[in-house]
Amino acid sequence: GQQVMQIPQYQHVQEGEDFTTYCNSSTTLSNIQWYKQRPGGHPVFLIQLVKSGEVKKQKRLTFQFGEAKKNSSLHITATQTTDVGTYFCAGYNNNDMRFGAGTRLTVKP
Amino acid sequence: ETGVTQTPRHLVMGMTNKKSLKCEQHLGHNAMYWYKQSAKKPLELMFVYSLEERVENNSVPSRFSPECPNSSHLFLHLHTLQPEDSALYLCASSQGAHDPGELFFGEGSRLTVL
Repeated sequence: GQQVMQIPQYQHVQEGEDFTTYCNSSTTLSNIQWYKQRPGGHPVFLIQLVKSGEVKKQKRLTFQFGEAKKNSSLHITATQTTDVGTYFCAGYNNNDMRFGAGTRLTVKP
Repeated sequence: ETGVTQTPRHLVMGMTNKKSLKCEQHLGHNAMYWYKQSAKKPLELMFVYSLEERVENNSVPSRFSPECPNSSHLFLHLHTLQPEDSALYLCASSQGAHDPGELFFGEGSRLTVL
């Protein structure tokens, strides 16, 4: 069955540094979503990517969907303390949505 | 306020207890989900309901019993749980179950089984 791997598991950065998390699927995806979960909170939807090679930006966040629609990345430029939390990808194909294990980001002021 | 409300937020129960988790969505969605979130594990889909009919059950032990009386309410009945069932149980909703798009999550019910 479909598997979604996400790396790294943890990332600790100094405020102002960049951060990237990567998501890889064992199968081609119809779309991929990204969620953010603050400590003690619940997952909140960030974005959905559908097209091969798609790139979307939300302020300091840049999301990419690979040409083969099997991988994706989330890049945060100049992290802030408000960026702390766990970032999850969720790949969807054939009525099956699988979440990655998440990348937990901590930011040192 | 996410539009998806879960109660209780915290629950402690013994292995012989029977309890229920409740979820209500105010978004007019047609699909509702139960997910289990354990430490260092991906979110695990437990049940999916579309228009009050169960469409997926991912080999969840029978000690977890879902109920969806209408498209706005979802319950998870708990009976004879094990300590390893301790986790955050998240309810979510979406417009539909097929190619669901954005999932709206509740704040979760933190379950501890003693």
